[in-house]
Amino acid sequence: QKEVEQDPGPLSVPEGAIVSLNCTYSNSAFQYFMWYRQYSRKGPELLMYTYSSGNKEDGRFTAQVDKSSKYISLFIRDSQPSDSATYLCAMIPNTGGFKTIFGAGTRLFVKA
Amino acid sequence: SAVISQKPSRDICQRGTSLTIQCQVDSQVTMMFWYRQQPGQSLTLIATANQGSEATYESGFVIDKFPISRPNLTFSTLTVSNMSPEDSSIYLCSVEGPQREKLFFGSGTQLSVL
Repeated sequence: QKEVEQDPGPLSVPEGAIVSLNCTYSNSAFQYFMWYRQYSRKGPELLMYTYSSGNKEDGRFTAQVDKSSKYISLFIRDSQPSDSATYLCAMIPNTGGFKTIFGAGTRLFVKA
Repeated sequence: SAVISQKPSRDICQRGTSLTIQCQVDSQVTMMFWYRQQPGQSLTLIATANQGSEATYESGFVIDKFPISRPNLTFSTLTVSNMSPEDSSIYLCSVEGPQREKLFFGSGTQLSVL
C-alpha cells in the first residue's frame, strides 16, 4: 500500500465549476500537508500549505485536512481554464526525517 | 522564493550513454534535492546533495547509476549513467525554502532513452 493515494484522473470540468481534489494517506505521523500545482513542462509550485488539521483558504482555493480520517482535500471555486494542470498532494511526517512524500497527482482539465 | 534554472529541458539519448543535468539556484542553499517523476507515478526522491560531502541516496538509487556533484552552494549536477529505456522520465531539481516544508522546483528535464 502506498503511503499517499491520489486518483490520477483525468478530471474534466466546465469553466466555473467547483473542483474537489483528494488524497488519502496511511501514516498517522504526517503533520504537514501541501498541495502543489504543476503545469505541463514545468516543475511543481507550492499552492497551499497546512499544518495539522483544519481548513485554509486562499482566494478561490481551500485546503482541508481531516486527520481522523487521514484524508485531505483541495477545493477550487469558480474554476478557470488556467487552472488546468496536475495537482499533487504532499505530506511530511513529524518523525523519521523531514522528507516530503508526494501523491501521484491528479490531472485537471477546465473547459471554456 | 528561490529561482532554479535547470538544463537541458529535454533530451533524447541512446541506450548505454550518459546524460548530465545541471541545476543552478539564485541563492545559496544547504541542501539540493533530485527527484524523478515517471508517468503516473509519484515524485520520487533520488538523493540529497550537500555541499562538501557525498550525496545521500534513497533506497533503490545508487551512486554508480546517478552520480551527483555539488561543487558550491548554488549549483549541482545529476548524471544518469549507462541509460536504458527504463530511465525515460522527468528529472527535477529542488531546494527548500526558508520554511523547510516548502519546496521550490526547477522546470525539469524530460529524458527519453531510445
